[in-house]
Amino acid sequence: DTAVSQTPKYLVTQMGNDKSIKCEQNLGHDTMYWYKQDSKKFLKIMFSYNNKELIINETVPNRFSPKSPDKAHLNLHINSLELGDSAVYFCASSLGLEAFFGQGTRLTVV
Amino acid sequence: TQLLEQSPQFLSIQEGENLTVYCNSSSVFSSLQWYRQEPGEGPVLLVTVVTGGEVKKLKRLTFQFGDARKDSSLHITAAQPGDTGLYLCAEYYNTDKLIFGTGTRLQVFP
Repeated sequence: DTAVSQTPKYLVTQMGNDKSIKCEQNLGHDTMYWYKQDSKKFLKIMFSYNNKELIINETVPNRFSPKSPDKAHLNLHINSLELGDSAVYFCASSLGLEAFFGQGTRLTVV
Repeated sequence: TQLLEQSPQFLSIQEGENLTVYCNSSSVFSSLQWYRQEPGEGPVLLVTVVTGGEVKKLKRLTFQFGDARKDSSLHITAAQPGDTGLYLCAEYYNTDKLIFGTGTRLQVFP
């Protein structure tokens, strides 16, 4: 039973397209995150939500819009995709100090 | 924002060797975590250290928190191929924001 699940695992799309990545956690955690991991493996926080409310937006372009319909879901919609958006995107949830991560979505923009 | 520098960035060793990975910050950590990320997976929490000077052991892994709480180290004894992965230190900044270090990529050859 997967704790934090993301879909899709792989996403290949053309520049200018709009795409979404879905994330669900079944751990009952209040806090959820989106991270971007670049080709150098640096893991950078993008957004943090607590109980469906946006807590942190790390100066991410407006093309990225997270949406949390309930505290178990945090989806990421990306408009007008650019080549530089290619990366692995990780969803995570936490309660207290331990964060649980999904398997990641590898986004390739061509 | 806290910047967590890890060294070395890359490490390739033979099975059976010992190694140490370091995590340093210009500011004091409230607490520090170590995660391991295997290829194609999200990071998984290994340990949390809270008290300056604290030492924790997890089988062949020894984690140390500096007395001044500005640095930490991870020592692996008799490394095995299964230890291969990306090792990340991390800290909660302002309680809601989990930020990661620059990472150490470890490759252990049989």
